[in-house]
Amino acid sequence: EDQVTQSPEALRLQEGESSSLNCSYTVSGLRGLFWYRQDPGKGPEFLFTLYSAGEEKEKERLKATLTKKESFLHITAPKPEDSATYLCAVQFPYGGATNKLIFGTGTLLAVQP
Amino acid sequence: DGGITQSPKYLFRKEGQNVTLSCEQNLNHDAMYWYRQDPGQGLRLIYYSQIVNDFQKGDIAEGYSVSREKKESFPLTVTSAQKNPTAFYLCASSILRNGEQYFGPGTRLTVT
Repeated sequence: EDQVTQSPEALRLQEGESSSLNCSYTVSGLRGLFWYRQDPGKGPEFLFTLYSAGEEKEKERLKATLTKKESFLHITAPKPEDSATYLCAVQFPYGGATNKLIFGTGTLLAVQP
Repeated sequence: DGGITQSPKYLFRKEGQNVTLSCEQNLNHDAMYWYRQDPGQGLRLIYYSQIVNDFQKGDIAEGYSVSREKKESFPLTVTSAQKNPTAFYLCASSILRNGEQYFGPGTRLTVT
């Protein structure tokens, strides 16, 4: 069964303390991996798309990387406003539904000043 | 501004009543999706549509129905057959065959 697992479930950091979130997946024929940020009570906000192993994307303090079995979201010198739930999703080739996504349960990040 | 709108933000219903959640997009996307989000669980796909007048069941379609009469609109009806309807409902859209999905602000449905 295709699965997406995120770790840790929750992470508490001090402002400026860099760390990484993990998203691992079991699938053959990955079409794409997506990172989203979700604030409480709001819809997920798209961050990055990664398509192939070795690919990296950056946006402000966030950097996403991809290997054959997992992706990391690196957060450098985080600020309190980076506090949110970060979701990972993987696109699998389900026949005609080629844009169907499987989501992980997310990592709840809290950055304390 | 292009985007996805969902209404209402909060919805309260009595058990046994059907309720319809609205989703509209002006991104000119062909594909639209409905997800359900519960605490501690990943987003679960209810229904999706890749073209007007056509839609497919997702992983948890039982107790839900949809229509796609216009490209811009994809309303979701939560029927009385849905055993545990209280949840946060999210609508999304994307370019066909592109996995980048863009989400609306969500509707929180409470059924008592």
